[in-house]
This record gives sequence, structure tokens and C-alpha cells, in this order.
Amino acid sequence: GAGVSQSPSNKVTEKGKDVELRCDPISGHTALYWYRQSLGQGLEFLIYFQGNSAPDKSGLPSDRFSAERTGGSVSTLTIQRTQQEDSAVYLCASSSFGGMEETQYFGPGTRLLVL
Amino acid sequence: AQKITQTQPGMFVQEKEAVTLDCTYDTSDQSYGLFWYKQPSSGEMIFLIYQGSYDEQNATEGRYSLNFQKARKSANLVISASQLGDSAMYFCAMRSPGGSYIPTFGRGTSLIVHP
Repeated sequence: GAGVSQSPSNKVTEKGKDVELRCDPISGHTALYWYRQSLGQGLEFLIYFQGNSAPDKSGLPSDRFSAERTGGSVSTLTIQRTQQEDSAVYLCASSSFGGMEETQYFGPGTRLLVL
Repeated sequence: AQKITQTQPGMFVQEKEAVTLDCTYDTSDQSYGLFWYKQPSSGEMIFLIYQGSYDEQNATEGRYSLNFQKARKSANLVISASQLGDSAMYFCAMRSPGGSYIPTFGRGTSLIVHP
């Protein structure tokens, strides 16, 4: 398919373990976003990549969270030493170039449960 | 700072009737874009409609229309002739230069369509 894909779709981990979440954006999209959605809540911005520019990390909740984007395409969100409050759905989105009128295309999300 | 407020946590509507979902926003920018997304129980975010701050006409997309009242800073979504498949969470979002063009989302409104 040509949409945004994310893996895994579900992840159960134990408190204290590290997890990696992957996002494959739409081919050619230079803008990539990570969001976190807790149960019954809106979308909390985490990090934004735009082309080769330095990412906007202003939404990362702690230094346990990091993300990288290799070759301007695939992105990996890493959560170290997971805590129970990290349990949420992690959504990835991409858009052509991040312009104001552009819509974002979202992936199906990764549901993370930290026991 | 930009902010989106959705005051209706839940709404109910009879099938085939119209429903209005409220959204107010706050920004000091003169130029901004407003979006509505639908999130069914499957979890994927689906783009519905876009309104630019300088657009003189209210945006329409099929059964969706956006009641844009700039002076009141409101961007309500109107769904006409509701269908059972419209049952979902609905999120209002805004993009503006002051927010580095990173979309800010409201907390969402849960819509249930009754047969």
C-alpha cells in the first residue's frame, strides 16, 4: 500500500525494558511527526522531522524518549527504561513538506502496554 | 501559544439528522489552518476537511461542512444526514507559524449515531 505504516501494531513490555517503534512514511514525504495518544485523550505531539533539518524535539516528555529518521524516510521512536505511564497509542504521520494547508496522513498506530 | 478546545466530550445524534461538533481555537497568528479528523474505533486518523484563515467561504466536503466564524475563533464541524458509520471520535486541529506549523489537536468529541 502507499499509506503510512507502523510496526509493531501491538507491543507488550515489562517496566524497565527498552522498546523501538517503527514508522514508514509515504514515499516522498519530507515531513514526519510522532504523536502519543493516551486513553480518551487527544494527540500529544512528540517530535517532528522536516527533510534534513534538525528535528523539533520540543514535545518529548523525558530524556528516555528519542527518535531518529534514517535517509529521510523510515523513523524509529525509542523509549528507554519504559514506565507504566508510557502505555499509550503511538501515532506516526507524514505530509509532503509540512506546509500550513497540508493534511497529515496517519499510520494505524502502535499500541504499547507496559506491565 | 496555540490552543484548541473541544468542549463536548460526547454527542448523540439520530441517523439521518445533522449534528454540529464544536471547536474553538486560540492563536495570535493572522494566518493559520484548521483541520478536522475522524478516528473510528480502528484507530486510524482520517482527514475530513480543511479551512484556511483567509478563506472567505466555509469549506465543504460532501456531507461535511465547516462553520468558520473568525471573529469568534470557532470552527465547528457540521455533519449532515448522519450515518451509522459516522460514529467515531472527531478531532479539531490547527497549524500556524507561531506553532512552527506543527498541528495542535483538541481532546476530541465522541459521536454516536443512533439508528
